[in-house]
Amino acid sequence: GAVVSQHPSRVICKSGTSVKIECRSLDFQATTMFWYRQFPKQSLMLMATSNEGSKATYEQGVEKDKFLINHASLTLSTLTVTSAHPEDSSFYICSARKASGSGETQYFGPGTRLLVL
Amino acid sequence: AQTVTQSQPEMSVQEAETVTLSCTYDTSENNYYLFWYKQPPSRQMILVIRQEAYKQQNATENRFSVNFQKAAKSFSLKISDSQLGDTAMYFCAFMKSHSNYQLIWGAGTKLIIKP
Repeated sequence: GAVVSQHPSRVICKSGTSVKIECRSLDFQATTMFWYRQFPKQSLMLMATSNEGSKATYEQGVEKDKFLINHASLTLSTLTVTSAHPEDSSFYICSARKASGSGETQYFGPGTRLLVL
Repeated sequence: AQTVTQSQPEMSVQEAETVTLSCTYDTSENNYYLFWYKQPPSRQMILVIRQEAYKQQNATENRFSVNFQKAAKSFSLKISDSQLGDTAMYFCAFMKSHSNYQLIWGAGTKLIIKP
């Protein structure tokens, strides 16, 4: 199998606080993890690509100081939304590709719903 | 730049019927991968099927099959004997070979299976 978990599944926070979302590959090592944001009834928007042991590559328009990504091991990447504001409320999804094999397929976590009050 | 187009925002069919979701893409690459992902109401993205562009044979996974037309840059998904559990958003995605493994996504098609 190729299982990816995300924690928490849902979080409500006050404006100005920081929120950390964890993405773990449970049964495989992930060379690369991706972070997406999805607005209601829309497709996925790639925020950043994270490779183990190196700095994340952010997509144009995504503030790297606001969305901090750490990929400290081959099974864990974290996304921290710093000083969250209501406009950061969204559904955040991570995915991971295997370090072994062809590695083209991305396996997705169940997502995290963030609501900033 | 690559683009992926899904021209059907929403479709609905009766249970047990066959339905085809369309996807076209634009690329100048010769080697690439194409995917169909399913996102049910739980919002968990699930891989349905994938196709390597260098393979002429259409990929199949049980009730799911694709019609891959490389020259026409078309990659449609056929769901046979549709089931209520097939109700979901379906996204078509493209990935270049030997790339940064990023997916280019279509806008999605909402599929509703009616009992």
